[in-house]
Amino acid sequence: QVQLVQSGAEVKKPGASVKVSCKASGYTFTSYGISWVRQAPGQGLEWMGWISAYNGNTNYAQKLQGRVTMTTDTSTSTAYMELRSLRSDDTAVYYCARATMSHAFDIWGQGTMVTVSS
Amino acid sequence: DIQLTQSPSFLSASVGDRVTITCRASQGISSYLAWYQQKPGKAPKLLIYAASTLQSGVPSRFSGSGSGTEFTLTISSLQPEDFATYYCQQLNSYPLFTFGPGTKVDIK
Repeated sequence: QVQLVQSGAEVKKPGASVKVSCKASGYTFTSYGISWVRQAPGQGLEWMGWISAYNGNTNYAQKLQGRVTMTTDTSTSTAYMELRSLRSDDTAVYYCARATMSHAFDIWGQGTMVTVSS
Repeated sequence: DIQLTQSPSFLSASVGDRVTITCRASQGISSYLAWYQQKPGKAPKLLIYAASTLQSGVPSRFSGSGSGTEFTLTISSLQPEDFATYYCQQLNSYPLFTFGPGTKVDIK
């Protein structure tokens, strides 16, 4: 079946980096984009950015520009999100989602908890 | 950037009630709007895309309407499993997306 499976929970110190993976299966990976969305504890959904799995084009949320990098590995149908210079307010559940303009975010990963704490 | 507002932010309702949630965009977004349901500890679930198209497998008691700047999500008869938080999302500025702040539907 169509699914996205994310890597496990991470605990990082302030100033460190984290890289979360999202492995796709059940569909043609390069035919869709992948978006990353995060949710801080008790808060709403925050869109972080998008990457085309076809050509690697990216578009990042302005507030994360310079700290976030999204990449894909088409040989393994895996998307990655790296966030650098972590702060305590980056503590959140990070989700990947299959993204299209016409059909919105129809498939979601299970989420990855990232905790930033000294 | 396009901003989305949702009203109400919190709603208390009973099983069987008809529930309506409104989402307003700061500028016209045609019909590029989606609705999601999220339960605690779970990933969001797509309910409706293109403002009014029901995602496969979603019960028909959910419906969406609107275009331009004002949209609504309606649950015709609230069921126990519908108590959750609902988010709207604009896709008009693809590939830059925005979520609304959410509406929590709680049991009266």
